Amino acid sequence: EPEVTQTPSHQVTQMGQEVILRCVPISNHLYFYWYRQILGQKVEFLVSFYNNEISEKSEIFDDQFSVERPDGSNFTLKIRSTKLEDSAMYFCASTEGGWDQPQHFGDGTRLSIL
Amino acid sequence: KNEVEQSPQNLTAQEGEFITINCSYSVGISALHWLQQHPGGGIVSLFMLSSGKKKHGRLIATINIQEKHSSLHITASHPRDSAVYICAVRSNNNDMRFGAGTRLTVKP
Repeated sequence: EPEVTQTPSHQVTQMGQEVILRCVPISNHLYFYWYRQILGQKVEFLVSFYNNEISEKSEIFDDQFSVERPDGSNFTLKIRSTKLEDSAMYFCASTEGGWDQPQHFGDGTRLSIL
Repeated sequence: KNEVEQSPQNLTAQEGEFITINCSYSVGISALHWLQQHPGGGIVSLFMLSSGKKKHGRLIATINIQEKHSSLHITASHPRDSAVYICAVRSNNNDMRFGAGTRLTVKP
């Protein structure tokens, strides 16, 4: 069964540095999402992306964050000037036809900011 | 107050028991998702529903739109069902709101 893949599985970065988290959605999916889960807390929506642009974003997704689909397969989340509180698990998901379809999640990238 | 409330927070059952996990929400929604988060952290979508009832194997999900309530049932529970079960709603404000999850432990 096709999978959403995320790399790296674990990223350790110094505070203030930029990180790029990578996701390869399922190939025929058109809608892409990023979520984060701070350790011990609930999952939070960050952003959705369709047709090469952001369709929705949460209040968490401020100017520190950006998303991009640099080629036909990758979907990236960039976090600039990382802070300690950015430490979390970041999940990518994709759907074939939009929000009201089952979401396929990657295994997540654990981001640790030192 | 959380917009998506799950109960119970933690649930321990013996193998074979019938399990019910509840989700109540306070916002208007277009769809409700039940997700399973494995101990390693990975998330799997179990159901997406906007009305009625869905069944997949030993899992059953129901939703009552008028009462803003959904339940996830597991019949003949098994230790491999041990996970965190998360309710999430697609709100009419065009975002996704998540419950805090129900941690289920099924003992052999």
